[in-house]
Amino acid sequence: DTGVSQDPRHKITKRGQNVTFRCDPISEHNRLYWYRQTLGQGPEFLTYFQNEAQLEKSRLLSDRFSAERPKGSFSTLEIQRTEQGDSAMYLCASSHGAGGDEQYFGPGTRLTVT
Amino acid sequence: AQSVTQLGSHVSVSEGALVLLRCNYSSSVPPYLFWYVQYPNQGLQLLLKYTSAATLVKGINGFEAEFKKSETSFHLTKPSAHMSDAAEYFCAVSDASGSARQLTFGSGTQLTVLP
Repeated sequence: DTGVSQDPRHKITKRGQNVTFRCDPISEHNRLYWYRQTLGQGPEFLTYFQNEAQLEKSRLLSDRFSAERPKGSFSTLEIQRTEQGDSAMYLCASSHGAGGDEQYFGPGTRLTVT
Repeated sequence: AQSVTQLGSHVSVSEGALVLLRCNYSSSVPPYLFWYVQYPNQGLQLLLKYTSAATLVKGINGFEAEFKKSETSFHLTKPSAHMSDAAEYFCAVSDASGSARQLTFGSGTQLTVLP
C-alpha cells in the first residue's frame, strides 16, 4: 500500500504564474478529493471526482482553478494567474466510495506565491 | 449545511494526564463524524470514525470518542497522554445521506504535551 502521493511537496511561484499539482490516489479508490488548508485553519473542500467525472465543486474554486482526472486515476489541480491569497497547503484525499468510507490524505503540496 | 466547532484552539496536558478535545457539530441530516491528526508539514491521518454504529468509537493510538446526539458532540479522549501525541487534531463531519461525502472540518486543536 503506497498511500496517496502528491507532487511537488513544495512550490514557490511568482504572482501571475500558472502552477499545476498532481495527486496519485490509492490504486483501488474511485473517489478523489481536493482540499485547501491555510495556516491555523482546517482543510476546506474544493472539488470531488467519482472516477473521471468531476461531480462537485465548491464556490471556493474560482474560475482560475481547474481540476482533472482524465483516466480516473491520478488528478491534477491547476491554478492560473496565481495570487498571493492562493498561498496554502493543497491536500488530496481518496476513498473507496462505499458508505461511511474514510478519506486517506496525501502529504499535501505547500504553495507559496511571492 | 454542516459545521463543526472545536472548543479550544490550544490544549496543554501533562504527560500521563487525560486528554480531552472537544468537538460539537451541526447537521440537518444524520452525520458521519471523524477525528484526524496532523503532524507538522504532513497530511491528515484518520484516528477514528463514527458511522451510526456503536456510539463509543475506539481508534488508533489509544484514542476514543463518544457520539452524543442529544449534545451534538463527538469529543475525543485518551486516558494517558504521551509525548508523541503532540500534534494538531481536527474534527470533521460529512453528510451520511449525500453522495459526495466531502468533509467539513473544524479549525483544529493544537495539543501540547508537557513533560
